[in-house]
Amino acid sequence: SQQGEEDPQALSIQEGENATMNCSYKTSINNLQWYRQNSGRGLVHLILIRSNEREKHSGRLRVTLDTSKKSSSLLITASRAADTASYFCAVSGGSYIPTFGRGTSLIVHP
Amino acid sequence: GAVVSQHPSWVICKSGTSVKIECRSLDFQATTMFWYRQFPKQSLMLMATSNEGSKATYEQGVEKDKFLINHASLTLSTLTVTSAHPEDSSFYICSARDHSSTLDTQYFGPGTRLTVL
Repeated sequence: SQQGEEDPQALSIQEGENATMNCSYKTSINNLQWYRQNSGRGLVHLILIRSNEREKHSGRLRVTLDTSKKSSSLLITASRAADTASYFCAVSGGSYIPTFGRGTSLIVHP
Repeated sequence: GAVVSQHPSWVICKSGTSVKIECRSLDFQATTMFWYRQFPKQSLMLMATSNEGSKATYEQGVEKDKFLINHASLTLSTLTVTSAHPEDSSFYICSARDHSSTLDTQYFGPGTRLTVL
């Protein structure tokens, strides 16, 4: 299926540490997006990376995409307690309709 | 940036009643909107694609007679959960594709939490 799968399912770190989450998918894509969701809330769009791009940055976020391995990673540097949330990757193929993975639950301890 | 709103943000209803959820694009036109459902601690699952002026396209396993979708204008799509039951309790999220932008530009609403008693 097109669905992305995040790894790990859960991640617990201390404030100031870096957090890395991975996303793998099975078929070719047009783009991959990362979203954050706080408990019981809506989605916050973080970064969109297209299939012809390899790396994008936004503030403390760094996203890489390796289409040969069909995988992406999201790195959050110098994490803060406020980064505690669930993080989802969503892949889009020819229809440009995002299909979401199960997410990584990140807990940042102050 | 572009804003998508949903109304209501939460709703509690009795089993057997129908509930309508609105999704509006506030500052752009959306020929296509999408409806997702998310159960606790799970992923967002696409339910249907809503196209303005035409019938919605439902994903496999989603009952079109139970989840009625209407996209009557370029800024409004509605999802009606008919004869709701406790198993329909979920977080419903819509997204809207900006008509004037690239295909991969879409914006998500804040979600509607439905609880069926």
